[in-house]
Amino acid sequence: NAGVTQTPKFQVLKTGQSMTLQCAQDMNHNSMYWYRQDPGMGLRLIYYSASEGTTDKGEVPNGYNVSRLNKREFSLRLESAAPSQTSVYFCASSGTGVFSTNTGELFFGEGSRLTVL
Amino acid sequence: SQQGEEDPQALSIQEGENATMNCSYKTSINNLQWYRQNSGRGLVHLILIRSNEREKHSGRLRVTLDTSKKSSSLLITASRAADTASYFCATDAGGNEKLTFGTGTRLTIIP
Repeated sequence: NAGVTQTPKFQVLKTGQSMTLQCAQDMNHNSMYWYRQDPGMGLRLIYYSASEGTTDKGEVPNGYNVSRLNKREFSLRLESAAPSQTSVYFCASSGTGVFSTNTGELFFGEGSRLTVL
Repeated sequence: SQQGEEDPQALSIQEGENATMNCSYKTSINNLQWYRQNSGRGLVHLILIRSNEREKHSGRLRVTLDTSKKSSSLLITASRAADTASYFCATDAGGNEKLTFGTGTRLTIIP
């Protein structure tokens, strides 16, 4: 039971470099999410995908792009990394359907720790 | 802006004591969830309470919800060293597909 798998676990970038964080879930969930976690800020939603083929902005989408490649995979791309994007990134998934009125339990990956110099 | 705010930010208690954490939120919700995060790990779901429920139990966990005050509390009874972690509340802010998390309470259990 892998659950939610994120790669890479650690990454160091220089300002201006680009990279993609990968996320895959094996629970046949419809919804997938990308959060960032910074000290004292809790988790903030970057983007989410309520179903395959759809994506929506969260609270802090600037500087990021996402792709819902298929039902299993949801990637987060930093086109031109900035020091302010130094953070821990978490991918999560949920079995809640698109038309559900109640957001269900989220299953999280172990995080990707990104440092931008 | 954060939908949920936990209080206190940090809490240290002796093993065996009860730990209580509080969460306040701003807008109406369909449900409220609590998560635990061990150091360096992802978040793990603990319990979900719906807006029409006032109290819910799961093992040593007891969650209350007061929608009139827009607040919730998480009680961990008979704490253990393994309960040392950060605890977050999360709300769905009115039934959309997004969960908004608070800033968390860091709980330390002293053996």
